[in-house]
Amino acid sequence: AQRVTQPEKLLSVFKGAPVELKCNYSYSGSPELFWYVQYSRQRLQLLLRHISRESIKGFTADLNKGETSFHLKKPFAQEEDSAMYYCALSLNTGGFKTIFGAGTRLFVKA
Amino acid sequence: DTAVSQTPKYLVTQMGNDKSIKCEQNLGHDTMYWYKQDSKKFLKIMFSYNNKELIINETVPNRFSPKSPDKAHLNLHINSLELGDSAVYFCASSQSAEGGGKLFFGSGTQLSVL
Repeated sequence: AQRVTQPEKLLSVFKGAPVELKCNYSYSGSPELFWYVQYSRQRLQLLLRHISRESIKGFTADLNKGETSFHLKKPFAQEEDSAMYYCALSLNTGGFKTIFGAGTRLFVKA
Repeated sequence: DTAVSQTPKYLVTQMGNDKSIKCEQNLGHDTMYWYKQDSKKFLKIMFSYNNKELIINETVPNRFSPKSPDKAHLNLHINSLELGDSAVYFCASSQSAEGGGKLFFGSGTQLSVL
C-alpha cells in the first residue's frame, strides 16, 4: 500500500541551527514527491517538488530511492520557518491522488 | 484574486443537520479535490473530480455527496452530520497535465458539529 511517513510530530530547533524534516514513502511505482507548508493562519501551499530539484526559501530535498526517503533540509533555520510541513506522494491510479504524511510541526526558537 | 476559494470559512451546526461547503477555482484547472484535516492535522483525501467526473472516492460515508456543476466548482454536501465530522475541510485543484501533485488549496472550512 502507498504510504507517507513523517516520524516526527514536532521538531524544535534554535535559530541558525540546521534542520532536517524526515519523510519516508512506500510506493512500488515511480514516485513523485512534494513538500507542502502551512504557516500559521495561511493556506497549505507547495514548497517544493522533487522533479524541480530547486531550493525554495533555503530548503532542499533529495529523493533517495534506495532509502525511499525525501527528507527536507535547511542549513540555517529562521524563525519565519516555523510552520507545519507535510510530505506528499502523488500517484496516478486512473486519476491523480496525492497522499500526505501526518505532518511535522517545526518550531524555530530565537 | 483568490485562486481557490471556499465558503463558508466557519460552520457550526447541530448533529443531524445537513450542510454544504462550496469551492471555486479560477486557475483553469481540470481537477478538483476535497481533503479532510482532522484534529491531529492529518490530511486525508476524500474525493477527486476531473472535468466534472468523479475519479476518486476514498471510501467516504455516503452522507458526503460531492457535486461538480462545472470544472471550476466542486461543492460538498453533508447529510445527517455527526460529531466525528468535525474537522477542517480543504478544497484543492490541480492541472492533470502537470501530473496532479502540484495542488493549490483553499483556505479551509472549519466544521464544528455540536
